[in-house]
Amino acid sequence: IAGITQAPTSQILAAGRRMTLRCTQDMRHNAMYWYRQDLGLGLRLIHYSNTAGTTGKGEVPDGYSVSRANTDDFPLTLASAVPSQTSVYFCASSDGGHGGELFFGEGSRLTVL
Amino acid sequence: GQNIDQPTEMTATEGAIVQINCTYQTSGFNGLFWYQQHAGEAPTFLSYNVLDGLEEKGRFSSFLSRSKGYSYLLLKELQMKDSASYLCAGTDSNYQLIWGAGTKLIIKP
Repeated sequence: IAGITQAPTSQILAAGRRMTLRCTQDMRHNAMYWYRQDLGLGLRLIHYSNTAGTTGKGEVPDGYSVSRANTDDFPLTLASAVPSQTSVYFCASSDGGHGGELFFGEGSRLTVL
Repeated sequence: GQNIDQPTEMTATEGAIVQINCTYQTSGFNGLFWYQQHAGEAPTFLSYNVLDGLEEKGRFSSFLSRSKGYSYLLLKELQMKDSASYLCAGTDSNYQLIWGAGTKLIIKP
């Protein structure tokens, strides 16, 4: 069973380092999203892409960048990690239709020291 | 501002019924989602309501009142595997999702 694959599952890195979280989907969904989930807070949207070649900023985009070179891949990059970026990151996709459910990856737990 | 409110934690007994409430304030409204998230796992879709009323799906039902900005998720015949967090998310006028912090449901034998 395919779906959405995220890598790495877990990572510890030093502050100031560059990090890319990978996300790949095989459902041919147009829309893809990156969320962070922190204890006591709802999922917060970092960046999104409605279709290949386009990206947009979500609620908390600062310190993060994304690209969408093709339909399947949507990597999230932290150019210079800071401790406040310690979180669980979820990649998700949908067929883009209104009311369409989101399919989530298993998450990437990132700790910045 | 936009806001989703739901209780932080609830406890219920195996075999019983529990209702998890969610109130929302969004700029425009285009429907409300419920997701289930087991500890350490990804959220999975449960339901989507855009019209007023109750939608039933097996042991789970979801209700929406647009005039009151209110929804609830009803879980019947609770099983231990229903122990999870339940996330409410409203869709605003731009079809962006606004998420609640989630309700942790603890099921006791």
